[in-house]
Amino acid sequence: EDKVVQSPLSLVVHEGDTVTLNCSYEVTNFRSLLWYKQEKKAPTFLFMLTSSGIEKKSGRLSSILDKKELSSILNITATQTGDSAIYLCAVGSNTGNQFYFGTGTSLTVIP
Amino acid sequence: DVKVTQSSRYLVKRTGEKVFLECVQDMDHENMFWYRQDPGLGLRLIYFSYDVKMKEKGDIPEGYSVSREKKERFSLILESASTNQTSMYLCASSLSSGVRDTQYFGPGTRLTVL
Repeated sequence: EDKVVQSPLSLVVHEGDTVTLNCSYEVTNFRSLLWYKQEKKAPTFLFMLTSSGIEKKSGRLSSILDKKELSSILNITATQTGDSAIYLCAVGSNTGNQFYFGTGTSLTVIP
Repeated sequence: DVKVTQSSRYLVKRTGEKVFLECVQDMDHENMFWYRQDPGLGLRLIYFSYDVKMKEKGDIPEGYSVSREKKERFSLILESASTNQTSMYLCASSLSSGVRDTQYFGPGTRLTVL
């Protein structure tokens, strides 16, 4: 059965801390791995990863895929209260063009 | 900019009513999806469509049906709403595959069934 597992389920940190969110997957016919940020509305796209070992970066956020370990990490450095959100990981499959979502990691950044 | 719109942000219906949730995208995307999101369960795929008049069941299709008569519009239908269908419903669209493999989400419809 195809599945995506995220850890930790929730995290509380202080402003300025660095956090690492994990996503592991077992998906048939892997095509891509996507990270989303969801505040009180629909998820917004952060990164798409298809190749192992190539880091994607956007400001204080970065992500990397390890196809051997079937996993990805999302790093956020110098966290701010505006980073508080649920971070979702999704894996796209070439079988039927589906996306499989993890349950998300809820990040709370306190001042 | 891709735009995915959903017909309602909030909806309250009674048990047994027929409910229509509409989703429209303006980027000529082939694929469209309906998810529901519940606390602790994440996003679960209800149905998706990869072309006009084509549909595929997702993980939890029971109690739902869909319609895709035009490429830009994907409707989710609850034939007889039940209280366990109270949830946040998210529509998404994407291109078929390849380097632009990104799902774009609508704002969501929070449905309450009384």
